[in-house]
Amino acid sequence: KQEVTQIPAALSVPEGENLVLNCSFTDSAIYNLQWFRQDPGKGLTSLLLIQSSQREQTSGRLNASLDKSSGRSTLYIAASQPGDSATYLCAVRPFITQGGSEKLVFGKGTKLTVNP
Amino acid sequence: GAGVSQSPRYKVAKRGQDVALRCDPISGHVSLFWYQQALGQGPEFLTYFQNEAQLDKSGLPSDRFFAERPEGSVSTLKIQRTQQEDSAVYLCASSLRRGLQETQYFGPGTRLLVL
Repeated sequence: KQEVTQIPAALSVPEGENLVLNCSFTDSAIYNLQWFRQDPGKGLTSLLLIQSSQREQTSGRLNASLDKSSGRSTLYIAASQPGDSATYLCAVRPFITQGGSEKLVFGKGTKLTVNP
Repeated sequence: GAGVSQSPRYKVAKRGQDVALRCDPISGHVSLFWYQQALGQGPEFLTYFQNEAQLDKSGLPSDRFFAERPEGSVSTLKIQRTQQEDSAVYLCASSLRRGLQETQYFGPGTRLLVL
């Protein structure tokens, strides 16, 4: 059974700092990995999607890497801002087993606070 | 250009009550997912529809949980005889097509509290 772990559970940094969020998964048989942002009382917003054949994806100040063989991904946030404060969730899309679906398997998230 | 909407946004139920949660996916989206997110946890898969067909219900925790999407658009998640452990945020997501490359777009969720 695929399990996704995110470390740390919570992180507090001063504005302007560069930071790294970690995600690990137990089964490397995945199609892709996504990073989401979740704000209180709101749904999930997709930030980056990395296909299993890719090593990294970049969007603005965000860079996500994927090492499928070791079961790890990192989300790098450059020059953090107070508006980056949110919970960041990592999710993998496992290979479809017979009768399965395109569900996502999520970690518990990292709660990020960026202090002005 | 509306996104995924869910109603109600908040629901308080007494233990033993039945509840119905509604999801309006993005117009034209074929795939629809329900997830359950307990406090401090990540979302956990409940069930998946492709149009009106429920292709995967392996995540439904008990036979008290039932989901339908009769016309391939709006979906309803029904929970019978609610228990305190059912308290969670229920998230709905949709994607345009069936496919592993497709991004899932999430609604704001329904926060259910069972007293």
